[in-house]
Amino acid sequence: EAGVVQSPRYKIIEKKQPVAFWCNPISGHNTLYWYLQNLGQGPELLIRYENEEAVDDSQLPKDRFSAERLKGVDSTLKIQPAELGDSAVYLCASSLDRGQNTGELFFGEGSRLTVL
Amino acid sequence: AQSVAQPEDQVNVAEGNPLTVKCTYSVSGNPYLFWYVQYPNRGLQFLLKYITGDNLVKGSYGFEAEFNKSQTSFHLKKPSALVSDSALYFCAVRDRYNFNKFYFGSGTKLNVKP
Repeated sequence: EAGVVQSPRYKIIEKKQPVAFWCNPISGHNTLYWYLQNLGQGPELLIRYENEEAVDDSQLPKDRFSAERLKGVDSTLKIQPAELGDSAVYLCASSLDRGQNTGELFFGEGSRLTVL
Repeated sequence: AQSVAQPEDQVNVAEGNPLTVKCTYSVSGNPYLFWYVQYPNRGLQFLLKYITGDNLVKGSYGFEAEFNKSQTSFHLKKPSALVSDSALYFCAVRDRYNFNKFYFGSGTKLNVKP
């Protein structure tokens, strides 16, 4: 079974440029998450989807960040314009949540963004 | 506020010796508890979880974790460390009563020396 797939793995851009990250979750997983991870730190939630609906986007900086999950499967995370402080790893995760919501998260390999 | 604490930034242990990576949490109710491992330039990999039942849970690669409700702790353990266990370890808690949010600790770097 394929895991969570993210692309690109690495992206280098200049500040003020736009950037987009793509995530394909594990087949059948209804919940999808985007996390931000700074070097040596734990993941911080940006947005969580249940199917097509963004159920928690309270930590998403909406002035420059946007996300969508079309048809409740793939998702894209966009930053426009990027700032120096956005340099980090962007992790996508998915889980199969039914009933008791005991499901663990399955993470992709991450997309490492460097803003120059 | 809900939080997860990993009090040690780094743990050093010799190969073959037992290891413990500590985690305590402050989340209301009876949360679900998880451990993840992260190797350099990789995503987080699930190791084990506690939902209910026996306080000692076993997971991947010979790891186990002990849940202690009175101390609100969920320490990760392994009887005999391997050099290949060297990685970054994250404790996570899922708050069942707050939109099932996951809270992650800041991570503990495990160094296993030959």
